[in-house]
Amino acid sequence: GQQVMQIPQYQHVQEGEDFTTYCNSSTTLSNIQWYKQRPGGHPVFLIQLVKSGEVKKQKRLTFQFGEAKKNSSLHITATQTTDVGTYFCAYVSDMRFGAGTRLTVKP
Amino acid sequence: GAGVSQTPSNKVTEKGKYVELRCDPISGHTALYWYRQSLGQGPEFLIYFQGTGAADDSGLPNDRFFAVRPEGSVSTLKIQRTERGDSAVYLCASSITGGPGGELFFGEGSRLTVL
Repeated sequence: GQQVMQIPQYQHVQEGEDFTTYCNSSTTLSNIQWYKQRPGGHPVFLIQLVKSGEVKKQKRLTFQFGEAKKNSSLHITATQTTDVGTYFCAYVSDMRFGAGTRLTVKP
Repeated sequence: GAGVSQTPSNKVTEKGKYVELRCDPISGHTALYWYRQSLGQGPEFLIYFQGTGAADDSGLPNDRFFAVRPEGSVSTLKIQRTERGDSAVYLCASSITGGPGGELFFGEGSRLTVL
């Protein structure tokens, strides 16, 4: 399967700061999904991106799919303590997951 | 049921023993996935079923691992001669689509500890 590179591995922010996690691939992706896993919980689907250059928003979350469909990002504006968890990208072609970015938020 | 159900939620076993983990997917979901997740890691793909057949079993680490889905609904992951390195949370997910790419609905997982 394709290698799913996700950075950073950890991110600690002050509440109110922004947060971004990136997924990168050396090959073109058909589409990509993002999941969130709260501490002690299971992954929960957030969104799927399909089109080149696609941008989707969910309240404070903005998801982007690169023009070349080789990378994707998740940006959270003005983090809140409820954003704590690990964010994973997953390649839809074989449903393999990245290693995730663990977000902690200091109140 | 309303969601994906996995049993047992916790299993402690001794090295060398045989273990079965069960997954009951959301009714009507044709696709079923097994993953395992170690602490601080992402879900590691094991096997994907489409209906009764294993469409992709390339993630099974060795021949001690086997999974079945005889009637296209409930699936059982079987681990023979367990080793300490098998300790992890085993996650099951189901999807309504007929191929890879649908939204995955995960169960709460089965935590396996091999002593």
